[in-house]
Amino acid sequence: QSALTQPASVSGSPGQSITISCTGTSSDIGAYNYVSWYQQHPGKAPKLMLYDVNNRPSGVSNRFSGSKSGNTASLTISGLQAEDEADYYCNSYARGDTMVFGGGTKLTVL
Amino acid sequence: QVQLQQSGPGLVNPSQTLSLTCVISGDSVSSNRATWNWIRQSPSRGLEWLGRTYYRSQWLNVYAESVKSRITINADTSKNEFSLQMNSMTPEDTAVYYCARSAPYQEWLDPWGQGTLVTVSS
Repeated sequence: QSALTQPASVSGSPGQSITISCTGTSSDIGAYNYVSWYQQHPGKAPKLMLYDVNNRPSGVSNRFSGSKSGNTASLTISGLQAEDEADYYCNSYARGDTMVFGGGTKLTVL
Repeated sequence: QVQLQQSGPGLVNPSQTLSLTCVISGDSVSSNRATWNWIRQSPSRGLEWLGRTYYRSQWLNVYAESVKSRITINADTSKNEFSLQMNSMTPEDTAVYYCARSAPYQEWLDPWGQGTLVTVSS
């Protein structure tokens, strides 16, 4: 199972919006609506930010949103804030009852 | 709420077996509404899903192809915990190892354990 493809880095200024893409295959993202996104600050465990493509857990800001088209999912963060600076990882359920992660994207808030 | 507490050694000798445990509070390891996962993270591999165990009238295990020949995930119902064993460890297996919960038709990972840094070195 190959890792999902994410850009290595993205950046934006406070208040702006950014989008992180996550490209998989017809065996993972394209096959299921089980895409989730995780935020990770240095030295911390990943934190769930979105599940089932575009659902937010309780407590996650509505500035975070998600979408999916074909084999590609996207995470959009609007109204960027300094606290959003972190690494972001996508994850998808995949055939064979497995899971696969993206390689991670470092978000820099300028 | 569900909490996961990991334990295990931080240093493993090359060729030896890694053993990590994840103790569950707020849920049952044998619940048919939960699935118990192991994930690791290293600078070279990023986040890598390793495998899962769950109970659906019987115990089932699924492992990632990359580690399938070296990994075993077990559940201990008496202690409400699940464990990871990985044999033939090499320096390339140096990583932070996490446990995490998912569920049928709820295929996201939450919560996560605190992580255990495992270094493979003599």
